[in-house]
Amino acid sequence: AQSVAQPEDQVNVAEGNPLTVKCTYSVSGNPYLFWYVQYPNRGLQFLLKYITGDNLVKGSYGFEAEFNKSQTSFHLKKPSALVSDSALYFCAVRDLGGYNKLIFGAGTRLAVHP
Amino acid sequence: DTGVSQNPRHKITKRGQNVTFRCDPISEHNRLYWYRQTLGQGPEFLTYFQNEAQLEKSRLLSDRFSAERPKGSFSTLEIQRTEQGDSAMYLCASSFGQGGATNEKLFFGSGTQLSVL
Repeated sequence: AQSVAQPEDQVNVAEGNPLTVKCTYSVSGNPYLFWYVQYPNRGLQFLLKYITGDNLVKGSYGFEAEFNKSQTSFHLKKPSALVSDSALYFCAVRDLGGYNKLIFGAGTRLAVHP
Repeated sequence: DTGVSQNPRHKITKRGQNVTFRCDPISEHNRLYWYRQTLGQGPEFLTYFQNEAQLEKSRLLSDRFSAERPKGSFSTLEIQRTEQGDSAMYLCASSFGQGGATNEKLFFGSGTQLSVL
């Protein structure tokens, strides 16, 4: 069965420092991987996806993610964190089937301190 | 793009009552999904519509849950005889998927928070 794991419940980082939010996956076949962000009282918003091609994927708000097949990881990164990046981040993998049904990780809360 | 709209935002009900939630997707989107999210967890898939056809229903969804999408526009999710374990955030998402596309981004609503007392 397809699954993702987010090993950290919370990540704390100082504003201006680089940030990494970790995600590992388990799939049969080639993975379709996604990152979504959830701000308080708002729906999840798409950040980026990896389907095929370059291992470094660029997304919204300056975020990027690195796909690593050997380590089965898809970590989310940003070179310089902003306080406004503080939110709940979800990694997801597309499940098997003919449409975009996603399996989400438990989420990682990112706290960026001034 | 007015986004995905869900109503109500909050619903408090007593155990045993029936509740119905509504989702209005982005107008041109042909795909609609319902997810459930509990505190500290990621969203869990409940069901999927392509236009008006309900093509998949999760095993998590007991017979007390039913969803419809008449005319392929808005969707409703009904829970009959609610139980305390039904308390969760119910999320709706929509997307436009052409042919066999399986990687389009989903647009989520803000959810309906259900509390069963």
